[in-house]
Parts: sequence; C-alpha cells; structure tokens
Amino acid sequence: NAGVTQTPKFQVLKTGQSMTLQCAQDMNHEYMSWYRQDPGMGLRLIHYSVGAGITDQGEVPNGYNVSRSTTEDFPLRLLSAAPSQTSVYFCASSYSTPQLNQPQHFGDGTRLSIL
Amino acid sequence: KNQVEQSPQSLIILEGKNCTLQCNYTVSPFSNLRWYKQDTGRGPVSLTIMTFSENTKSNGRYTATLDADTKQSSLHITASQLSDSASYICVVSAFDQFYFGTGTSLTVIP
Repeated sequence: NAGVTQTPKFQVLKTGQSMTLQCAQDMNHEYMSWYRQDPGMGLRLIHYSVGAGITDQGEVPNGYNVSRSTTEDFPLRLLSAAPSQTSVYFCASSYSTPQLNQPQHFGDGTRLSIL
Repeated sequence: KNQVEQSPQSLIILEGKNCTLQCNYTVSPFSNLRWYKQDTGRGPVSLTIMTFSENTKSNGRYTATLDADTKQSSLHITASQLSDSASYICVVSAFDQFYFGTGTSLTVIP
C-alpha cells in the first residue's frame, strides 16, 4: 500500500521554466489537494479536487494549474516558475471532504527551488 | 477571518517528561479538529480527529482535548521519547477546507 506518492522529491528550476509535480494515490480517495509549506507559515492550500473532473482554487492559486482526469492522479503544474514559488509542496488525499471525519494522508513532499 | 493559532512556537523537554501543546481557533462553521505530527523531511501524519461533541481522544501516549465553547484544543504527550521530536500541527475543518496552524516544534533531549 503506497499511500500518496509524490515525484520528484527535489527539483531546481530556473525562473520562467515550467514543470509538473506529480501526485498519485492508491486508496481510491475522492478528495485531493495541493499545499505549499513555507518557513514560519502553516500549510497553505493551492488547489483542491473533490473528484475526477472537478477542481477548485484554494488560498494561493496564482501561478499554478491543476487537472484531475482520474481518481488516482492530481498533478500540479507551475506555468512560469518564479523565485517566490520556492517552497515545499505537499499533496494530500482523503476519502471525503474535510467536514467528514476521515483522515487526510500526505505525501512526503517535493522540495522545489527556483533560481 | 478563519484562523488557527498554536503555542508555544517551539519547546524543548527532557526525555521522559510530559508536555502540553495549545491550539486556539476562530474557524466557523466548525466541522472537526485534527492534530498532525510532522517529522523533519516528511509529510504530516494524522494523530487524532475530534468532532464537536468529543472532549478527549487518545492515541497511545498522545491525548487531545477539545473545548468547543472556548474554541481551544490541547495535545498532551506523556512520557516523551526521542522519536517525539517533530512539529505538531493543529488543523480545523470547515465545510470544504482545512485551516492549518503554524505548528509547535518539539525537541526531546536525552
């Protein structure tokens, strides 16, 4: 049981480059989300999805795109990388939406540096 | 504004001692409150999930309390171990979103 798998674990980009952070879960979870974690700040929601084909913006969506073509995968795309996007990115999944008492499972993160 | 505040920001304790971490929130409407443990370089792992009607919930040496009237929660760690060194994050759910505290960094020293 792999849980939530994020790739790559580390990445260095130059300003203006684009890339996709991959996230996959094997628990048949409907709710998936992307967060960024910066020093001294709590995890901030970038985008989330309540099921295949449905996505919505979180607190800090600018500069990021997502899609959800399957239940298992929820990739995060950086359109044109900026130094302000240097952060640790976490993908998470849960069986249902936050108001229900289901645990949220996190991947181990992608550490992204933008030069 | 929906907010979750945790205290203290950091804490150092001796192995074997107990400690209590605090969480205050202003999130509304309240669905549930969660405590997570995040080891360095890893993603957060769920410790407890508490609903409005639950006052106390335990997971081994971890005991969480919730006072929904004062909108406060605490996480008590009993007989600390070196492996308890981590960041502990309080998360409050409201409808379709989670609201995260900034965490308490706990260091357990021998």
